Amino acid sequence: DQQVKQNSPSLSVQEGRISILNCDYTNSMFDYFLWYKKYPAEGPTFLISISSIKDKNEDGRFTVFLNKSAKHLSLHIVPSQPGDSAVYFCAAQKGANNLFFGTGTRLTVIP
Amino acid sequence: SQTIHQWPATLVQPVGSPLSLECTVEGTSNPNLYWYRQAAGRGLQLLFYSVGIGQISSEVPQNLSASRPQDRQFILSSKKLLLSDSGFYLCAWSVIPGGRGDTQYFGPGTRLTVL
Repeated sequence: DQQVKQNSPSLSVQEGRISILNCDYTNSMFDYFLWYKKYPAEGPTFLISISSIKDKNEDGRFTVFLNKSAKHLSLHIVPSQPGDSAVYFCAAQKGANNLFFGTGTRLTVIP
Repeated sequence: SQTIHQWPATLVQPVGSPLSLECTVEGTSNPNLYWYRQAAGRGLQLLFYSVGIGQISSEVPQNLSASRPQDRQFILSSKKLLLSDSGFYLCAWSVIPGGRGDTQYFGPGTRLTVL
């Protein structure tokens, strides 16, 4: 059963505009959420995370928003750059337990 | 600096054949090691993790097994592959036992196709 879902398999955005990637989860016990970025032929690399006690975390051009009541998180990239083109995975964790990953969203930033 | 290696990058195997995927980590000692798989239409799923030589925990019952013969070597095996074993296999390491996800570092992965 998919406890973390990314319903958009792909997203295309013009360079300089905002990219918004969405993720939904079903397990209310998750207390930590992460986004990973994956380039072809490479493993995922950690991008940004957020604890369930927060609703926003910002790191440069990347901001993650958490809506616990809706069990929804999103990643905003502003402004989007061609180098941001990659597959983005969201993941969720309860305590120090297993990571549960979504299926990924392929972002294409068009120059 | 630490690096993680996986091979092969791609693999095509017939149903019923054996499997051996290898993962090695350099630049760290006594890492925690993980095997993940992404099947078609699914998210990455943890298969096995190991906190030390010979110590393997299985998260999902399946046709696969894992072994850790050396401190920085993690092997994923199968005696007889099934079609459902097709997927993208990722090895990861961390230094914090069961730590937060941002402490896990992933290898480049192996794309396995079982025909």
